[in-house]
Amino acid sequence: QKEVEQDPGPLSVPEGAIVSLNCTYSNSAFQYFMWYRQYSRKGPELLMYTYSSGNKEDGRFTAQVDKSSKYISLFIRDSQPSDSATYLCAMRTFTGANSKLTFGKGITLSVRP
Amino acid sequence: KAGVTQTPRYLIKTRGQQVTLSCSPISGHRSVSWYQQTPGQGLQFLFEYFSETQRNKGNFPGRFSGRQFSNSRSEMNVSTLELGDSALYLCASSPSGGESEQFFGPGTRLTVL
Repeated sequence: QKEVEQDPGPLSVPEGAIVSLNCTYSNSAFQYFMWYRQYSRKGPELLMYTYSSGNKEDGRFTAQVDKSSKYISLFIRDSQPSDSATYLCAMRTFTGANSKLTFGKGITLSVRP
Repeated sequence: KAGVTQTPRYLIKTRGQQVTLSCSPISGHRSVSWYQQTPGQGLQFLFEYFSETQRNKGNFPGRFSGRQFSNSRSEMNVSTLELGDSALYLCASSPSGGESEQFFGPGTRLTVL
């Protein structure tokens, strides 16, 4: 079993839809949870990060973490064509200098005008 | 502030050859991490360098190596290239590593024929 599993895609939604992206994980040592967005021919950029269970909101984006069930979600409200990209969840243990990021495989989202 | 830069952006090599990729981190960042991204495996951690020392290593064969210079610039080398090494190679920098955010470069697209 991979440490981080991400819902496979691709995903296509109409403009204005609510999008839900999900990841599950098996390593209880993960303490930081992140969502990255990657546009075509670009490197990933950090969208949101959190380290506690619950919801964190930033504009149209909400990151949700449930440590007891070991899953994280990213919700996008009022989705726009500009949200079309690949979304990757990422998790980090925190062992100081030995910390490293583990990524999900990513899901490609297409928002149709 | 200039972002992370990677050179070259595209590279075509043949099996058995070796290749060196370069990464210049954001000014002031001392940690540089390298990742391999493929459609099948997603983003996989290769290694991290901090202050010219390899601090973390992923599960890649010894053909993959790297180094970091005193100005924090980093190079990654792959020897005896195989077809399966075709991928997008990304580097990411952060001030000291272990932070919640790493800043990614645009990547080097390596094709092995």
